[in-house]
Amino acid sequence: GAGVSQTPSNKVTEKGKYVELRCDPISGHTALYWYRQSLGQGPEFLIYFQGTGAADDSGLPNDRFFAVRPEGSVSTLKIQRTERGDSAVYLCASSFGGGAIDTQYFGPGTRLTVL
Amino acid sequence: GDSVTQMEGPVTLSEEAFLTINCTYTATGYPSLFWYVQYPGEGLQLLLKATKADDKGSNKGFEATYRKETTSFHLEKGSVQVSDSAVYFCALGRDQLTFGKGTKLSVIP
Repeated sequence: GAGVSQTPSNKVTEKGKYVELRCDPISGHTALYWYRQSLGQGPEFLIYFQGTGAADDSGLPNDRFFAVRPEGSVSTLKIQRTERGDSAVYLCASSFGGGAIDTQYFGPGTRLTVL
Repeated sequence: GDSVTQMEGPVTLSEEAFLTINCTYTATGYPSLFWYVQYPGEGLQLLLKATKADDKGSNKGFEATYRKETTSFHLEKGSVQVSDSAVYFCALGRDQLTFGKGTKLSVIP
């Protein structure tokens, strides 16, 4: 079956612009996660959805970052007034039920470059 | 809060050499522990996991044992191959995952 997909694969934008990054999880997976990976670092947690609701958004760095999952499937990460420090690879993962034991399956990521 | 510290790379080994990548963690309670791998040009994928103390995860010849007394989850493989060249990430999980910085392994023929 299809894995987690993310679009676009690359996004170049200018400082101050608004961007949207999309994640399409594995069909039937109720849990969805967003992470951010800077060069030479491990992924850092941003937000976790269980169904349509954000179960934990403690990793969002500030109020410029927002994510939605209105129908419990596709999710969009939205970044307002982008800054150069937002440049990173944004990873999405999904798992069947969530929780520590369920395996998270990662997408290929969206590489965001803010000029 | 939770944190993971793993051996800094890069690590370069000859084919058939023994591999150890150290990983230690700080966490309250009993999280699950994972090793993820990222092959060149590919996404992160789960290599192995352990969900409780003394569990051993294994896959593709790799092994790691959840050691609560030393808060460690070291990755080992007895004989590495060129195809094992990748970046390896240790992680601990409750709901979200907390990752280490990654260790790049290069295996030369």
